[in-house]
Amino acid sequence: QKEVEQDPGPLSVPEGAIVSLNCTYSNSAFQYFMWYRQYSRKGPELLMYTYSSGNKEDGRFTAQVDKSSKYISLFIRDSQPSDSATYLCAMSIGSSARQLTFGSGTQLTVLP
Amino acid sequence: KAGVTQTPRYLIKTRGQQVTLSCSPISGHRSVSWYQQTPGQGLQFLFEYFSETQRNKGNFPGRFSGRQFSNSRSEMNVSTLELGDSALYLCASSPLTGGGNEQFFGPGTRLTVL
Repeated sequence: QKEVEQDPGPLSVPEGAIVSLNCTYSNSAFQYFMWYRQYSRKGPELLMYTYSSGNKEDGRFTAQVDKSSKYISLFIRDSQPSDSATYLCAMSIGSSARQLTFGSGTQLTVLP
Repeated sequence: KAGVTQTPRYLIKTRGQQVTLSCSPISGHRSVSWYQQTPGQGLQFLFEYFSETQRNKGNFPGRFSGRQFSNSRSEMNVSTLELGDSALYLCASSPLTGGGNEQFFGPGTRLTVL
């Protein structure tokens, strides 16, 4: 079993829809949680960064972390065709173990 | 502020050769990490360098090595290339300020081994 599980999709939604992306994890030591967006043949771009449990909002994006359930989510409101990409969740223990453990990525297509 | 830069962007090598990839972190960032991305295994951590010292290493064979220079620039080397080393190699830099763990990625070097 992988430490971080993510539904690979593909996920296809109409423009303007609310998108929900999720990851589950098994290592309770993870404290830092990130969401990256990766366009085809590009490097991952950091979208959201949260520490421990709670919600964080940035424009159309909201990240939620529920450490008790070992579950993190990314919501995209008013989705746009330009949001079409692969979304990767990533997490780390932090301090002396800073390496990121990634989910497999969810491929999202927003149809105009 | 300029982002993470990686050179070269594309590389074609044959089995048995060695390769060196270069990464320049965001100005002021002192931590550099390397990752390998393949369709089958996804993104996997290779190693992290801070102040010219390797702090963590992922589960990769000794053919994969790296180093960091005093200006925080980093290189990774893969010796005796195998077909399975074909991948996108990504470098990420981190500010390490306030305990922050954000890592910012470069565009990657796409290595093809023939």
